[in-house]
Amino acid sequence: DSGVTQTPKHLITATGQRVTLRCSPRSGDLSVYWYQQSLDQGLQFLIQYYNGEERAKGNILERFSAQQFPDLHSELNLSSLELGDSALYFCASSLSDRGNSPLHFGNGTRLTVT
Amino acid sequence: AQKVTQAQTEISVVEKEDVTLDCVYETRDTTYYLFWYKQPPSGELVFLIRRNSFDEQNEISGRYSWNFQKSTSSFNFTITASQVVDSAVYFCALSEGNTPLVFGKGTRLSVIA
Repeated sequence: DSGVTQTPKHLITATGQRVTLRCSPRSGDLSVYWYQQSLDQGLQFLIQYYNGEERAKGNILERFSAQQFPDLHSELNLSSLELGDSALYFCASSLSDRGNSPLHFGNGTRLTVT
Repeated sequence: AQKVTQAQTEISVVEKEDVTLDCVYETRDTTYYLFWYKQPPSGELVFLIRRNSFDEQNEISGRYSWNFQKSTSSFNFTITASQVVDSAVYFCALSEGNTPLVFGKGTRLSVIA
């Protein structure tokens, strides 16, 4: 058990809808990362937060947004969903914002857009 | 820009065979960190090892060993006497100091009993 909690585990929704994925990092970790895993693109970095502030942005679509709250949990909001957004979304946390700190991943949220 | 290449998409071995998973990376930084992660069929990503660019010592942990060679920009992972439980997708990843991890496409290992 990595200590990172993601909810929900599965999400099925229709095109055009909006969903929110939730992540609670490991106790003591200040950094939260979101990754998208799809068959064709592999594991793609979306966005990183450190202690409530955005630290790095990857290939995150404008339809997607995220935030980290004062209690350090994070939410990833996906709107105007398209079929191509179907993927496994991972949250990971680490102690620091430096690259040498291993990421500890949650079990992921599998999103299916129909 | 950083890049990780795992040329082996899928590997299949018979139980008790040794298997090596290849990882080649590209970076312009002198300080960087390399990682291996395992993703079993259940789907979670499990951290296996981290190596920094200044430490080229090979590492062994039980049946797992890692060979880091800066001269060839490679960080290969060997499983000795493979077991069915080793069946998973293995990812190599790279971070350049402050940058988030960039992952390779992964190698799917199937160990057949």
